[in-house]
Amino acid sequence: SQQGEEDPQALSIQEGENATMNCSYKTSINNLQWYRQNSGRGLVHLILIRSNEREKHSGRLRVTLDTSKKSSSLLITASRAADTASYFCATSGNTPLVFGKGTRLSVIA
Amino acid sequence: SQTIHQWPATLVQPVGSPLSLECTVEGTSNPNLYWYRQAAGRGLQLLFYSVGIGQISSEVPQNLSASRPQDRQFILSSKKLLLSDSGFYLCAWSVTRGQTGELFFGEGSRLTVL
Repeated sequence: SQQGEEDPQALSIQEGENATMNCSYKTSINNLQWYRQNSGRGLVHLILIRSNEREKHSGRLRVTLDTSKKSSSLLITASRAADTASYFCATSGNTPLVFGKGTRLSVIA
Repeated sequence: SQTIHQWPATLVQPVGSPLSLECTVEGTSNPNLYWYRQAAGRGLQLLFYSVGIGQISSEVPQNLSASRPQDRQFILSSKKLLLSDSGFYLCAWSVTRGQTGELFFGEGSRLTVL
């Protein structure tokens, strides 16, 4: 299975701190994506990194991809209370996106 | 701009009753359409996806079915619900060309089977 697995399952930090979430997967991918889900809502796409890219930035988000280790990380800098949500990685190969179980991030004001 | 609508938002159904969840997409043509289920505190499980009218791929065998009667309409159904069907159901769409795979999700339908 190419399912991604996020680590940690839950993360609690103070506002202003950085949050780092990791994702590991098992098979070859075309790209890896990160999504955010507020409680009881649909998922929202955050950022996509292609298999030939190593790092990508979008605002306070920084994503890295190491295809040799089959892993990715999502860094949220200067976190805010509004960043509290679940974050999922999803891998794209020859099948529809496969999602991991997510990391629940709590940012305490 | 493209929008996706999913309804109903919440429903409580008895075991053995039928189910129909509907999803429509506006502002795009020939989208890929998906149904995912999310159990409490769990990740997303892909149930069905469709690349065109009448074309449905099932990822997990179960008592659910999906249909795509129109280009931008995707329906999830069951003839008899089980307790294990409880969960948060999410419809999503993606473009068929470009192959980025980015998904756009609806707001979800929370189903409780009692």
